[in-house]
Amino acid sequence: DGGITQSPKYLFRKEGQNVTLSCEQNLNHDAMYWYRQDPGQGLRLIYYSQIVNDFQKGDIAEGYSVSREKKESFPLTVTSAQKNPTAFYLCASSIDWDRGNEQFFGPGTRLTVL
Amino acid sequence: RKEVEQDPGPFNVPEGATVAFNCTYSNSASQSFFWYRQDCRKEPKLLMSVYSSGNEDGRFTAQLNRASQYISLLIRDSKLSDSATYLCVVNILTGGGNKLTFGTGTQLKVEL
Repeated sequence: DGGITQSPKYLFRKEGQNVTLSCEQNLNHDAMYWYRQDPGQGLRLIYYSQIVNDFQKGDIAEGYSVSREKKESFPLTVTSAQKNPTAFYLCASSIDWDRGNEQFFGPGTRLTVL
Repeated sequence: RKEVEQDPGPFNVPEGATVAFNCTYSNSASQSFFWYRQDCRKEPKLLMSVYSSGNEDGRFTAQLNRASQYISLLIRDSKLSDSATYLCVVNILTGGGNKLTFGTGTQLKVEL
């Protein structure tokens, strides 16, 4: 089955620790995205990647880092510099970046900082 | 003004009712419009794209009004399973290309 997978589903972290969230897609999509969702707020774009070996900051990139070494994979690292990391993190992909095509989402990772 | 605005609801309707949601957007140059559905603690899923001529998919009808810069979603014969949050999504032109911007969602509760 084609789709997007994220792991883990739930993640608990102590303050001061970095943590990496996994995102894999087998849809052969060029573009991938990371969003954060907080209660009562819309999705906010953290980072996006138009193509392999390229990525750009979104609206709230501070305290986060990404890599795109393979087309299928776009991991997100939440660093200790992120002030309020507890949130629902969603990875998405689309055929391309520059034509406003629909995005498809993975099941998400709920991160809780203890 | 927010780039994409929706009434947060909740809309509480009886089963079988017809319900409509509106969403306004600020960028007149936006080209792509979508409705997504998000169940509690789940990821958003594409419900339907919105085309200039309007489009229908079973009990769901989407309309676009470019002059007034809003899109709408009509749900006929509501089912209990329609209970969810509906996200309005609009593409916004940026210097680097198109960016999808998500509204905060409208919550629908269908009751017996």
